[in-house]
Amino acid sequence: DSGVTQTPKHLITATGQRVTLRCSPRSGDLSVYWYQQSLDQGLQFLIQYYNGEERAKGNILERFSAQQFPDLHSELNLSSLELGDSALYFCASSSGGAHRSSGNTIYFGEGSWLTVV
Amino acid sequence: GESVGLHLPTLSVQEGDNSIINCAYSNSASDYFIWYKQESGKGPQFIIDIRSNMDKRQGQRVTVLLNKTVKHLSLQIAATQPGDSAVYFCAENGDGGSNYKLTFGKGTLLTVNP
Repeated sequence: DSGVTQTPKHLITATGQRVTLRCSPRSGDLSVYWYQQSLDQGLQFLIQYYNGEERAKGNILERFSAQQFPDLHSELNLSSLELGDSALYFCASSSGGAHRSSGNTIYFGEGSWLTVV
Repeated sequence: GESVGLHLPTLSVQEGDNSIINCAYSNSASDYFIWYKQESGKGPQFIIDIRSNMDKRQGQRVTVLLNKTVKHLSLQIAATQPGDSAVYFCAENGDGGSNYKLTFGKGTLLTVNP
C-alpha cells in the first residue's frame, strides 16, 4: 500500500458526460501528480500540483482540469468525455516538488479505471 | 520529441535466474532515473532510482546501472522470483526544470517461470 488513495476505482460513463476523480496523497506529501495510462500511449504525465498551486503541465487536454485543495487532496475533472478517454488514471504524490535533487520519491495510487461507452 | 524507450518488450526467465531489463533514453539532459514495477491491476511501485552522478546503485536484489555515454539504463534482478512477474518501466526526469514530471518508457513485461 503506497498510502495514496484514489476513488472511484472503477467508473463507467457515457460519451459527453463529466466525471471527477479524487485523490488523497500520502500523509505529509505536498505534491500531487496525475497520470493517464492507456494501451497505446503508455503512462502520460498530465499535471502536477504543489501545495495547492499548479507546478507543471503535461499532455492534459483542455477538456480536463485539476485542482488541489487546502487539505492537499486533489481532483481531476474530465468533461465532454470521448471514447478515447477510456484509460486508467493514476494519482501520485511526493513530499517535495520544488527541486528534484532532494530525492523525493513519487508514490502512485492504485488508479481509477474509466470506461467511456 | 525526446523519449525514454525499452529495448525488449517481453522477457521470460526461469525462477532463480538473474533478469536484466534495459532502457534507452534520448534526453541528454536527463539526470534522474527511476525504475517502477507495475503488477496487474495495481499502480506503479517504486523500485530504485539513480542520479546521473552515479554509475551503479544497489538495492535489495536489484541493481540499476547507468551508462551516460550511450544513454542506457538497466535493471538487474537477482534470483528472480515468481512475484517479480510484472511490467517494469524506466522513467526519467530530465527536463531541466525543478519539477517531477516523469517521462516513462513503454514498459517491459517480465514473466518468471517456476
